[in-house]
Order: sequence, then C-alpha cells, then structure tokens
Amino acid sequence: GQQLNQSPQSMFIQEGEDVSMNCTSSSIFNTWLWYKQDPGEGPVLLIALYKAGELTSNGRLTAQFGITRKDSFLNISASIPSDVGIYFCAGQRNSGNTPLVFGKGTRLSVIA
Amino acid sequence: GAVVSQHPSWVICKSGTSVKIECRSLDFQATTMFWYRQFPKQSLMLMATSNEGSKATYEQGVEKDKFLINHASLTLSTLTVTSAHPEDSSFYICSAKQGNGVGTQYFGPGTRLTVL
Repeated sequence: GQQLNQSPQSMFIQEGEDVSMNCTSSSIFNTWLWYKQDPGEGPVLLIALYKAGELTSNGRLTAQFGITRKDSFLNISASIPSDVGIYFCAGQRNSGNTPLVFGKGTRLSVIA
Repeated sequence: GAVVSQHPSWVICKSGTSVKIECRSLDFQATTMFWYRQFPKQSLMLMATSNEGSKATYEQGVEKDKFLINHASLTLSTLTVTSAHPEDSSFYICSAKQGNGVGTQYFGPGTRLTVL
C-alpha cells in the first residue's frame, strides 16, 4: 500500500536539543496525525491536524499542517530521554472512517 | 477517554493452528475498526477495514480467507489468523474511531503473534 515519505529515518541527538521531522506526500490529505510508538506498544496519538496551515502545540511538541495539504512537520523542543521512540506521521484523505496512510517512521535516540 | 484494548497481548502457537485476536473500544462505540500488521523495524501496514454489521474490506494482497474479521458489535472486532504459519508472525494492531465525522483513530496496544 501507499506510504508517506517521512524523514529522517533516524536521529541521534543530545538531551536538550530540538528535533524536527517531516512528512511529504504526492497527494492531498485532509487530516495529518503524528503518533509515537514505544517498543511492543501501539502508537499513541501526539497531535492531530485538521486544517491546512494549522499549527498546533502539545507541550514541547509542535506540528503544522502544510498549506498545500501535502506535507506536515513535527518539532520537539528541549528533548529529554523519554522522547526516545519511533514517531510516525499519518495522513487521512477524508474525514469519515477512512484508513490512515503511514510514514515509515523516524527513530529518535536521545543521548543524556 | 478513547481507550482501545487488545487481547491477548502476546500469543505463541504451533504452525497450522488458528489464533483469534480481540479489539475492543472500551469507552466509545466504533462503527469502524482497522487492523494493521507491523513487522520489525517497519511501519504499520493496513490489512483490512472492519465495519460493524457488514463484511470487512481487505487491502490488496491480504487473503480474506486467511485473516477472518468479525465486527459483531459496536465495541468489538476480532481478527482470526487461520492455519497460521511462521511468516504470519508479526505485531497486529487495531485502531478504532468514534463516530463517522471528523476525528482521530485510537490504537490498541497490539498483539505479538509468534508462530513456531
């Protein structure tokens, strides 16, 4: 199935640094979502974006829905060790019960 | 709110046996649930869309006779892996969304299936 282009694939950063990751698509999505997955667990929703141009924050996390509706980014400020995990972007074409299309994930490692 | 559970959390079975995985929305009703499969170090791949009271919609390449889905109520969907083989070993994750309008999907904790 289709997947979104998510980058970078992995990151190694020092504790306290800021992190940025993004997702792009060749087609339009009406909803962009960012999830975090810890080993052996299901994805946990971090931020949901429903409107082109929307910028939303959740604590140290900030995400934006690209104006073209074909991209989104996630920023994490002042990273801490518990930020370690895999971050997935996901797009949804319609507002109804349509399935999500996922990016390949960004594996984040934080060095204390 | 918006809690989704899965049972069992892990299962080990012999090749040729069938395994049933349950997905429940604990505090909301879900007319639609989704089943994903995730192999190690890979992303989630959609297997099928489960609709309450009707047949599931399977993604291309997913055998409907091998992965039986039953969405018997607004809070429960089951995935049965029939005649499981080692290549079916994977992490199976369900998700559910409340209502039919705009909203987010919430994921279950996943079920680790190992077929010997």
